[in-house]
Amino acid sequence: EIVLTQSPATLSLSPGERATLSCRASQSVSSYLAWYQQKPGQAPRLLIYAASNRATGIPARFSGSGSGTDFTLTISSLDPEDFAVYYCQQRSNWPLTFGGGTTLEIK
Amino acid sequence: EVQLLESGGGLVQPGGSLRLSCAASGFTFTTYAMSWVRQAPGKGLEWVSFIGYSGGTTYYADSVKGRFTISRDTSENTLFLQMNSLRAEDTAIYYCAKARSGNDNQFDYWGQGTLVTVSS
Repeated sequence: EIVLTQSPATLSLSPGERATLSCRASQSVSSYLAWYQQKPGQAPRLLIYAASNRATGIPARFSGSGSGTDFTLTISSLDPEDFAVYYCQQRSNWPLTFGGGTTLEIK
Repeated sequence: EVQLLESGGGLVQPGGSLRLSCAASGFTFTTYAMSWVRQAPGKGLEWVSFIGYSGGTTYYADSVKGRFTISRDTSENTLFLQMNSLRAEDTAIYYCAKARSGNDNQFDYWGQGTLVTVSS
């Protein structure tokens, strides 16, 4: 099973700042990595697929990068609506796995 | 508009069974793989099961293998999860999720979830 480790567990920033979230895989997942955003009481929302492609309707301030084992989700300038939990997910191998999540909170 | 609507959750005793349903609309159901993903209270996301667009291929997480069965009814555009021998650790919100394209298991649409509580 591929283990995805997300860091930091919690990130405290202010609106307008830049956020950098990390996801590290225990073995290569090529570019088969997605990022999701989840707000309290809501289902997850796909932000990024195939490591660097924005999903439909996702603002340009969200970007993804990386390949192999190291991936980054960057939010260039935080909007108040961006404070949420973020998960990475790999589809390279079965079982599909998710990272443990990064909570992005308002400082 | 793509919509996924889960139902069938509820309170069940350990060892009991439940059948979850996910009614799909707004896309061609027969051309997309589907999965179930769960989230225990206050915890992260856990993939549970996958079914290919044709229904001929299925995968399960080790934690549910042999107890859960995924299926789909193309005539009703509905996804199912039959859950048997339920345990306390199966308590979670269960989401159905649509593959972004074909069998690409990155999920672009999710249902609102249905809560399963396993308790005596």
